[in-house]
Amino acid sequence: AQKITQTQPGMFVQEKEAVTLDCTYDTSDQSYGLFWYKQPSSGEMIFLIYQGSYDEQNATEGRYSLNFQKARKSANLVISASQLGDSAMYFCAMRGNSNDYKLSFGAGTTVTVRA
Amino acid sequence: DADVTQTPRNRITKTGKRIMLECSQTKGHDRMYWYRQDPGLGLRLIYYSFDVKDINKGEISDGYSVSRQAQAKFSLSLESAIPNQTALYFCATSDSGTGEETQYFGPGTRLLVL
Repeated sequence: AQKITQTQPGMFVQEKEAVTLDCTYDTSDQSYGLFWYKQPSSGEMIFLIYQGSYDEQNATEGRYSLNFQKARKSANLVISASQLGDSAMYFCAMRGNSNDYKLSFGAGTTVTVRA
Repeated sequence: DADVTQTPRNRITKTGKRIMLECSQTKGHDRMYWYRQDPGLGLRLIYYSFDVKDINKGEISDGYSVSRQAQAKFSLSLESAIPNQTALYFCATSDSGTGEETQYFGPGTRLLVL
């Protein structure tokens, strides 16, 4: 079974600054995928970035980057140059090797960007 | 146009009623999923389907049923709705042809059972 832990319930960040959202995971699978999703107040789940367990390079996607430290089992999301539109809930998720390919989600971190 | 659509977007129903939530996708993905989101509990998998003839129960399937009418359509039914099925429901899709199997979510359906 997989477990995802996000220890920061809420964070405030100043506009144009960077913010790091923590995510640690626990799994016995050798092959797995790590994902971050954004959920604005409107409710939809927006895919941001993916990191495979065998990827040697940290994933980047525009202003989003994933700081993957496999030995520490962490997959922190870094948002650079924060914008007001980045205010949302952010979820870390993991897909292991189980047959259902389900995603296991963390509890989420609420980010509020201040002008 | 959105790649994954869900109807209705909001629904209020009464205990004991049968309701259906529908999901359609134009992404050409073969795999589809239904999740529910409850505050503080994250998303939990209800059912999943890897193709039209393949339907599987997730971790919280009791009280729900599904139908995969076509590769692009996956419906979730609540046979007799109860108040603790009040939640935000998401449909998601993924492509088995990619190594990462990223799941893309629909906009969600907010369901309130009175």
